[in-house]
Amino acid sequence: EDKVVQSPLSLVVHEGDTVTLNCSYEVTNFRSLLWYKQEKKAPTFLFMLTSSGIEKKSGRLSSILDKKELFSILNITATQTGDSAVYLCAVKAVTGANSKLTFGKGITLSVRP
Amino acid sequence: DGGITQSPKYLFRKEGQNVTLSCEQNLNHDAMYWYRQDPGQGLRLIYYSQIVNDFQKGDIAEGYSVSREKKESFPLTVTSAQKNPTAFYLCASSISRTVIGETQYFGPGTRLLVL
Repeated sequence: EDKVVQSPLSLVVHEGDTVTLNCSYEVTNFRSLLWYKQEKKAPTFLFMLTSSGIEKKSGRLSSILDKKELFSILNITATQTGDSAVYLCAVKAVTGANSKLTFGKGITLSVRP
Repeated sequence: DGGITQSPKYLFRKEGQNVTLSCEQNLNHDAMYWYRQDPGQGLRLIYYSQIVNDFQKGDIAEGYSVSREKKESFPLTVTSAQKNPTAFYLCASSISRTVIGETQYFGPGTRLLVL
């Protein structure tokens, strides 16, 4: 059974702090790993990672994948209160002609002023 | 505006009642999905559809049914057989289920509560 584990489950920081969110996985026929940000409603797409060691960056957010050790991290620098959300990690695996997305439980980040 | 819409935002269900959640997309995506999200849990796949008039069970399909009569619409019915329906339901779509690397886009969700 495919498994995605995120840690920590929740995190409280102060504005300006840097945070690192972790995602480890065990899947068969891995294809890509995705990070989403969920603020009360629809998850919004952040990054998709398919290759090891190549950092994806968007403003204060960055992410990298290690396919040998089967994990990814999402970094947020100079955090702001608007970064408060649930961060979801999902792994795409392929079975025959179909693909499947398995989600972790999410990491709840609270950024205090 | 292109996107995915879900309605209603909140839905109340009485014992023994079937209720239907709406999901519409105008992104011209082939694939559509229904997920259930419970507190402290990740998203779990209920049903998915790759093309019109075809759909497949996900990991937790029992007590749910779907239809895909039109490309843009994928309604989910929560039947009376679903004993614990209280949850946040998310609909998503993607260009194709089989294209490697394609991303799913989510609707705003429907929160279902049992009276």
